Formats: sequence, C-alpha cells, structure tokens
Amino acid sequence: EADIYQTPRYLVIGTGKKITLECSQTMGHDKMYWYQQDPGMELHLIHYSYGVNSTEKGDLSSESTVSRIRTEHFPLTLESARPSHTSQYLCASRGSETQYFGPGTRLLVL
Amino acid sequence: GDSVTQMEGPVTLSEEAFLTINCTYTATGYPSLFWYVQYPGEGLQLLLKATKADDKGSNKGFEATYRKETTSFHLEKGSVQVSDSAVYFCALRPNTGGFKTIFGAGTRLFVKA
Repeated sequence: EADIYQTPRYLVIGTGKKITLECSQTMGHDKMYWYQQDPGMELHLIHYSYGVNSTEKGDLSSESTVSRIRTEHFPLTLESARPSHTSQYLCASRGSETQYFGPGTRLLVL
Repeated sequence: GDSVTQMEGPVTLSEEAFLTINCTYTATGYPSLFWYVQYPGEGLQLLLKATKADDKGSNKGFEATYRKETTSFHLEKGSVQVSDSAVYFCALRPNTGGFKTIFGAGTRLFVKA
C-alpha cells in the first residue's frame, strides 16, 4: 500500500490566483515526480526531483515551479493561474523499483 | 530512446469476456515492466509488474508475461467485470540507470453488464 498524499483533491479558482498543490509521502523515497494529465489520457512529466534540494524540469514545459526542502514533501506552485492550467496533477514517488502515485488534484481555473 | 506502445482504445467488452491489451516496448537491455490501472477520478495504481524475461506478473485475475523475444508485455484477464472499467497504462523502467519511468498512452476499457 502506497503512502502518498495530495491536497487538495479538487480546486476551483479564478484567473491570476497563486496556488500551491501539496504532495507528501511517508515511504522515505528520494525520487519524486509531478505529472500533468487530462483525465484518463496520456501522462506528461512536468517536474522531478532526485532528492532534497534537487529539482529538474520534465518533458513537458510548464509554468509551474517546485521545491524539495524535505524528503517527504514536494509542493508545486503556480504563481498566476490561467484557464490553460486546468488539468489533473498527479504526484508520484519511487524507491528502488516501483513508482507510486497519489490520488491527484483536479484543478479548474475559471 | 526507450518507449512503450500500447493498443489504442477504447476497448469495449461484455461482462465475462476475455481481455487482451497489447503492449510492446523499445529499450536497451532488460527493463522492468509494469501495468498500472487508473479508475475515474483517481491516481494510477500499480496492477502488476515483472522484472526479468519470462517472469509473469499477476494480480486480481490479471496477468502479463515479460516476453523478451517479442519485446511485449500484454495484459490479459480471463473474465472481465464491470468494475474493471478503467484506463490501463503499460510502463517500463530502464535498467540503465535512467531516472524516469516511461509510460504508454493508456488504453481505456469499458465493460458492459
């Protein structure tokens, strides 16, 4: 059973607002990831981290930023949300072998 | 580079029908292979995995065999249920020190009662 959590699960906000999507895992995994996904569609890697103080951009360009100050915590921030950011955001972590996913945050920007 | 190709959906079946979702891969050496399932409104859950050639992963009636000779990892289930309706993702993790897990585009399965 994977112990990876995301909050909020659903978020509706207005254009221009700053938001932070939270992701936490209790497995002690060094590697963490953020994906953007239209529901049920292909996953797009937008950020990843090898460990504390390490962050890298993924395959899909994103206006979001991430930080990794603690092993268990990998928040994603949008400084100024736009309707084009409407999507589902999935956080994941990996130990040695298997990648585990959180339940996702569905974001709607009006 | 490494890649995963899976059959396009949607796949629509009647309850108790046999399921096959094809997955082939391109990778150097012997990657680990995975199937994930995503139910509506949720994240991906690991369904099964295999880490070396000829291994068979199985879980909840689903099976997949790691075929090195055909670079395939097809997902099968003998008798599907309505509750199996979901999106299924095939994935590989390179054994060459790569950081990323490579995912296929997903296959949506609808099971009718």
